[in-house]
Amino acid sequence: GAVVSQHPSRVICKSGTSVKIECRSLDFQATTMFWYRQFPKQSLMLMATSNEGSKATYEQGVEKDKFLINHASLTLSTLTVTSAHPEDSSFYICSAPLDSYGYTFGSGTRLTVV
Amino acid sequence: LAKTTQPISMDSYEGQEVNITCSHNNIATNDYITWYQQFPSQGPRFIIQGYKTKVTNEVASLFIPADRKSSTLSLPRVSLSDTAVYYCLVGEGSSNTGKLIFGQGTTLQVKP
Repeated sequence: GAVVSQHPSRVICKSGTSVKIECRSLDFQATTMFWYRQFPKQSLMLMATSNEGSKATYEQGVEKDKFLINHASLTLSTLTVTSAHPEDSSFYICSAPLDSYGYTFGSGTRLTVV
Repeated sequence: LAKTTQPISMDSYEGQEVNITCSHNNIATNDYITWYQQFPSQGPRFIIQGYKTKVTNEVASLFIPADRKSSTLSLPRVSLSDTAVYYCLVGEGSSNTGKLIFGQGTTLQVKP
């Protein structure tokens, strides 16, 4: 089935540094990808919609300058957390819609900012 | 997208059938009902999708009454490995490009 590969699975970074998370669609083309954030024991919260070849659309309250999204090809979308702080520590998940129905999700990235 | 309401948590024992009901009173004519499963530190995984009546696959059944204002996910003979969070989502299924908005989900705890 359609797979989205997300890397890294976990990352620890120092406060003030930037971290890039990649999501690749392995056997299909994804013109759209969605980025979610999930805090412990909470549901997934949509952060932004990534569109191939155009600017991402951010949900209300999500800082576009802090969470940089790039969707330069039909198989790759990246989320860069800039100047990370401990409050950015979370589980980040990407998702892509499928031609049939449903969505496929990446395996997630556990970000810890120390 | 239609808002969904599910129980926050449920407990069950191995071998039992588990039914999780989701309310979606404002479901639109074009909306499909989709259920996802999420294990800790993993992305959600598609379980089943339906529009009306009953849908069954190798892991679950989905029951949808005629008014489509609710749906019930049925997991037959659960095992410990079915302990997870289950999300009910409602949206256009046949032309998926829209964003998925997750509700709180139901945390299912299966006990030995």
